Amino acid sequence: QVQLVESGGGLVKPGGSLRLSCAASGFTFSDYYMSWIRQAPGKGLEWVSYISSSSSYTNYADSVKGRFTISRDNAKNSLYLQMNSLRAEDTAVYYCAKVDTAMAYYFDYWGQGTLVTVSS
Amino acid sequence: NFMLTQPHSVSESPGKTVTISCTRSSGSIASNYVQWYQQRPGSAPTTVIYEDNQRPSGVPDRFSGSIDSSSNSASLTISGLKTEDEADYYCQSYDSSNHGWVFGGGTKLTVL
Repeated sequence: QVQLVESGGGLVKPGGSLRLSCAASGFTFSDYYMSWIRQAPGKGLEWVSYISSSSSYTNYADSVKGRFTISRDNAKNSLYLQMNSLRAEDTAVYYCAKVDTAMAYYFDYWGQGTLVTVSS
Repeated sequence: NFMLTQPHSVSESPGKTVTISCTRSSGSIASNYVQWYQQRPGSAPTTVIYEDNQRPSGVPDRFSGSIDSSSNSASLTISGLKTEDEADYYCQSYDSSNHGWVFGGGTKLTVL
C-alpha cells in the first residue's frame, strides 16, 4: 500500500532554514509527480510546490517562490523541501502528496504531515 | 488564476442529505476536474471524490459529486448522514494556466 512519511519539521527562528523529507513506498516513485501542501493552524489547505517525475519541471505558490526549493531523489524514493528565509506565516503542518496525473491532476495519497513552527 | 469559494460551515441531522457547494471565480468549472477531500480532526485529508464525480474504492456511495456549468460550481452531496461524516471538506482543482493547484477554503460539516 502507498505510504508517505514526512520528517524534518520543528521549531525554527524567523529567517532560519529547514529541510523537510518525505519517504515514499508502495508505488513506483519515479513514475509520479509529487507535491507539498501545507495547512496553517486552524486554517485551510494551501498548495506549496510540485515536482515532475524526472525533476524536469517544478512550480511554487507565489507565497514561497524564491524561498523554498523542491527536489527529489528517485533512487532513494524521497521527496524534499528546502525552506529558507522562513517567516512566521510559514508555520503550518506540511504534507507531502502523490499526484495522480492520469486525468485530473489531484492528490490521491497524502502523508500524515510534519509540523513546522517559525517563532523567536 | 481563479479561486474556489465554499460555505464556511453546514450542519444537518443524521440520516439527512447535505450538499456543499464550490464556486469557481473565473473560467469554466468544466475546464478542469474538481476533487473533494475529507479531513477529520487531527488527520490528513483523504479523497472522497475525484474527476468531478468519481469515488475512490472504499468511499461509500452515499458520497457523490457533480458540476453545474450554469452556476459555475461543483457540489458534494452526502446522503444518509452519519456522525462519522463530521469533518472539514475541501474542493480542489488544477489551474492549467499556471501549473498550480487551487483549494477552496473548506467547509466544516457538523452532523447533529
